[in-house]
Amino acid sequence: GAVVSQHPSWVICKSGTSVKIECRSLDFQATTMFWYRQFPKQSLMLMATSNEGSKATYEQGVEKDKFLINHASLTLSTLTVTSAHPEDSSFYICSGEAGGTEEQFFGPGTRLTVL
Amino acid sequence: GNSVTQMEGPVTLSEEAFLTINCTYTATGYPSLFWYVQYPGEGLQLLLKATKADDKGSNKGFEATYRKETTSFHLEKGSVQVSDSAVYFCALSGSARQLTFGSGTQLTVLP
Repeated sequence: GAVVSQHPSWVICKSGTSVKIECRSLDFQATTMFWYRQFPKQSLMLMATSNEGSKATYEQGVEKDKFLINHASLTLSTLTVTSAHPEDSSFYICSGEAGGTEEQFFGPGTRLTVL
Repeated sequence: GNSVTQMEGPVTLSEEAFLTINCTYTATGYPSLFWYVQYPGEGLQLLLKATKADDKGSNKGFEATYRKETTSFHLEKGSVQVSDSAVYFCALSGSARQLTFGSGTQLTVLP
């Protein structure tokens, strides 16, 4: 299947700092990318949907000014957690969807710990 | 809205045992249904899917049948292996192609 990478795989930061997470589709063009958040022993919760070249659509309850999403190319989307706080600590997962298909290919996730 | 209710784990089985993980859903319209698997340290991988009622998805010995009348998509495997140990997620895709996931079921298979 298609490969999606995420960088970094884990990050520890101080409260109040910003953290950027990259999501890349390595061997396909992802017209749509999705960002999820997963708490320990819980399911994935969709945060936002982004289409290349347009603004992301955020799910209810997700602060767009806190979780900045950029999808500047068909192979790269970034999630920036601004002014991170300990409650933002979580596992962030992205997925990419190739145009015209219904299948999402998932990255391995990024573990964020905010001290 | 859409929702997926999945059998809670963890599930521990001996090798070659029969596996069932229950999944039921609530959705408007006619969603597509999926099972994803997450091996330790890896991203979610699509295991199988079904796009319409009575369809059976199958892969690597796993099967699930889209049952509209019972709104279910239970995952089954006749003989599990140690290598099947992973977390399994049931999911549905609605009209906006967004996935709604169940809570995940941790499966451990003992030799």
